[in-house]
Amino acid sequence: RKEVEQDPGPFNVPEGATVAFNCTYSNSASQSFFWYRQDCRKEPKLLMSVYSSGNEDGRFTAQLNRASQYISLLIRDSKLSDSATYLCVSHRGNTPLVFGKGTRLSVIA
Amino acid sequence: GAGVSQSPSNKVTEKGKDVELRCDPISGHTALYWYRQSLGQGLEFLIYFQGNSAPDKSGLPSDRFSAERTGGSVSTLTIQRTQQEDSAVYLCASSLRGADNEQFFGPGTRLTVL
Repeated sequence: RKEVEQDPGPFNVPEGATVAFNCTYSNSASQSFFWYRQDCRKEPKLLMSVYSSGNEDGRFTAQLNRASQYISLLIRDSKLSDSATYLCVSHRGNTPLVFGKGTRLSVIA
Repeated sequence: GAGVSQSPSNKVTEKGKDVELRCDPISGHTALYWYRQSLGQGLEFLIYFQGNSAPDKSGLPSDRFSAERTGGSVSTLTIQRTQQEDSAVYLCASSLRGADNEQFFGPGTRLTVL
């Protein structure tokens, strides 16, 4: 079983829609979680960290459920520019980050 | 300031040749990572350098792959006797401290082995 699993999508949504992605992690020792965004043929960039209390950054909300071992990302009022692949990432101890394969989002006009 | 840079941006080589890929991390970043990404696939961890500690090489797929980081800055990833399955984008990232810090990625080197 992969340590971080995501639905690959694609999620095709109209502009203005709300879309949510879930990600599950298998290692209960994982301590930190992140969402990275990767545009087509570009390098990944940090979108936001995921805190136990949940966090919000503008139209983006990230939540962590340790009991069920999943992380979510909610995007409200989708924009065309949100089209990208969203990578779920976990981390524990002094080990490297573990990246999921990503969920592809296409926002359609 | 300057971000992570990688060179070359593209490399085409013949099966069996050796290649060297270079990464210049952000100045002052103590941690450096190499990943590879095949078409439509996720990031595959290769190797992680943190300060003066011994590197974490647990992700290197075979002994044809090696990497070094000189003077705590520039890193070189070497692939010997390249195979067609080595074709991928090789991404380097650096972070200020350990792996739980934000990682800043370079633009990658696209390697094609014919």
